[in-house]
Parts: sequence; structure tokens; C-alpha cells
Amino acid sequence: DAGVTQSPTHLIKTRGQHVTLRCSPISGHKSVSWYQQVLGQGPQFIFQYYEKEERGRGNFPDRFSARQFPNYSSELNVNALLLGDSALYLCASSLGHPGDYGYTFGSGTRLTVV
Amino acid sequence: AQTVTQSQPEMSVQEAETVTLSCTYDTSESDYYLFWYKQPPSRQMILVIRQEAYKQQNATENRFSVNFQKAAKSFSLKISDSQLGDAAMYFCAYRTRNTPLVFGKGTRLSVIA
Repeated sequence: DAGVTQSPTHLIKTRGQHVTLRCSPISGHKSVSWYQQVLGQGPQFIFQYYEKEERGRGNFPDRFSARQFPNYSSELNVNALLLGDSALYLCASSLGHPGDYGYTFGSGTRLTVV
Repeated sequence: AQTVTQSQPEMSVQEAETVTLSCTYDTSESDYYLFWYKQPPSRQMILVIRQEAYKQQNATENRFSVNFQKAAKSFSLKISDSQLGDAAMYFCAYRTRNTPLVFGKGTRLSVIA
């Protein structure tokens, strides 16, 4: 069984550009969560989606958006990139039931903004 | 807001020895879950051990065990018989039934051969 797949693994963008990160959850998992991990810090919650609906949103500006597709894969979009958006972006999938704590993380996308 | 504090930015341990990583958290909830994750250089966050707050018995997974002190809001991780492969960043995390994971800043563990 494939784990959580994220693409691309590395990405370099220029300030002001837009970026799309992708995540494919484990088969059977209906929930996807996105986290931003700045160097030297723990991951910070950005979004959670379940059955294509936004279930939660962290304290991030409107430049950050996401969506989930019918096959439960997800995209994270960031507009008007800033240098401070440079980070490791982690995707986690889970069954999505309330109380389900079985999060499985992908290996992340390393975004560098120059 | 819930917070998770890891007061040890770095720790080191001799191979085959035991090390304890500290974690405290702040919450007003009574029903929650606590986790320790390991993040090696490969970047993937790997679940090491988890503890349900309603369980008094400390969780154990092979060489990994926790000391859960609910009243003190403390959740430390003990690694016994440390191995070179245990070297990684370790993150303590918290969540309730309907909220996302909240992580601490992490502890970098080095294992000395």
C-alpha cells in the first residue's frame, strides 16, 4: 500500500509568484491536513479537509487556500509568495472520523522562496 | 489556546543508554490525546507513541515509553537501549477529538556511538 504522497519534493519560487502543492492520501483515508514547518520549529496547522469540505483552518492569511478532490487528493495553493513562506509543507491523511488520531504524514514539499 | 512546550532544544545519549525527553502542555480540556513523533532527516513525521488522557496506564511501545502526569500536564518520552537509528528530531504533540495536532518546537536527539 502506498503511503501519503506529496509532490513536488522540492520547489524554488520567486517572491510574488504562486505555488501549488499536491497530496495523495492513503487509500481509504478521507481526510487531509496541511501543516507548515519552518526551519527549527514544529509544524503549524494550516487546513484540514474531510469529504471535500473544509473542516478547520489555522491562523494563516488568505493567500493560503486549499481544496480536496472527489478522489480525496488535495492541493494547497499559496499566492503572492513571501520570503517567510519558505518552509517544509507537510500533508497528513487520516480516516477523518471524530477522535480518529491515526494521522499518517508524507515526506513533505520543501518550498524555497527567493 | 492549547500550547505544547519542549524545554530541551537538544539532547544527546550514548548508544545503549537511556534518555528522557520532556514535554509539558497547557489545556483546559479533560479529553485529549498526546503523541510523540520522530522526524529523521528524511523529513517524514513518524508516530512513535500515543497516549489517551483518560487512560491512567502509561503507554509503551518496545523501547519507547511515556511518563504521563495528567495533573502536572507533563508527558515525557523515555527511550531505552538507545540506537544510532534513534537520532532525529522528536516532537511532542497534542490534540482533542475535534481539533488538529498542536506541536512543540522539538528536541534534537543525538546518539553517540
